[in-house]
Amino acid sequence: AQSVSQHNHHVILSEAASLELGCNYSYGGTVNLFWYVQYPGQHLQLLLKYFSGDPLVKGIKGFEAEFIKSKFSFNLRKPSVQWSDTAEYFCAVQRGNKLVFGAGTILRVKS
Amino acid sequence: DGGITQSPKYLFRKEGQNVTLSCEQNLNHDAMYWYRQDPGQGLRLIYYSQIVNDFQKGDIAEGYSVSREKKESFPLTVTSAQKNPTAFYLCASSIGPGTGVEQYFGPGTRLTVT
Repeated sequence: AQSVSQHNHHVILSEAASLELGCNYSYGGTVNLFWYVQYPGQHLQLLLKYFSGDPLVKGIKGFEAEFIKSKFSFNLRKPSVQWSDTAEYFCAVQRGNKLVFGAGTILRVKS
Repeated sequence: DGGITQSPKYLFRKEGQNVTLSCEQNLNHDAMYWYRQDPGQGLRLIYYSQIVNDFQKGDIAEGYSVSREKKESFPLTVTSAQKNPTAFYLCASSIGPGTGVEQYFGPGTRLTVT
């Protein structure tokens, strides 16, 4: 079945540690890719997106993601996390009118 | 202040009752969506509407119904046929249907059925 896989369901980091959250998808052809974030008690909001062009995309709050077509991956990175990055992160692939989401990764940053 | 509103934030119902969740947007978006979020499963698409008076089933439409009589409103009814209705429901909208457009999300409604 076509799907979006996020490798870790829970990640715990100390402040200033580097972050990489994995995302792989199984769709062939052209895809649009997104990372969304859900902070505690807040709306789901867009972190960054890739449609075409430079495969390294930068988003809000110092996040970036790299699209590697050959690996069907779109991993999210941040060099140095802060306590305020504690949230749930969702990778999503757009196919036609639909967004297909991964299961989410809950990140907890210890201060 | 543009955005998507969902009401109520928390909703409790007895098993066997239908319940309708509200979603309103003032972003002038054509497309609207309903998702269900369960722990460890991400978001799954229930229904979507590309334009007024039109809607399509998503991946998990069984036990749900929708209407789109106005551009700004897309209510979701959870019927008694839905086997596991307790979940967090998210409404979203986008400027139009199709690829290359961002979806904006509402705050969600947490439905508990006992």
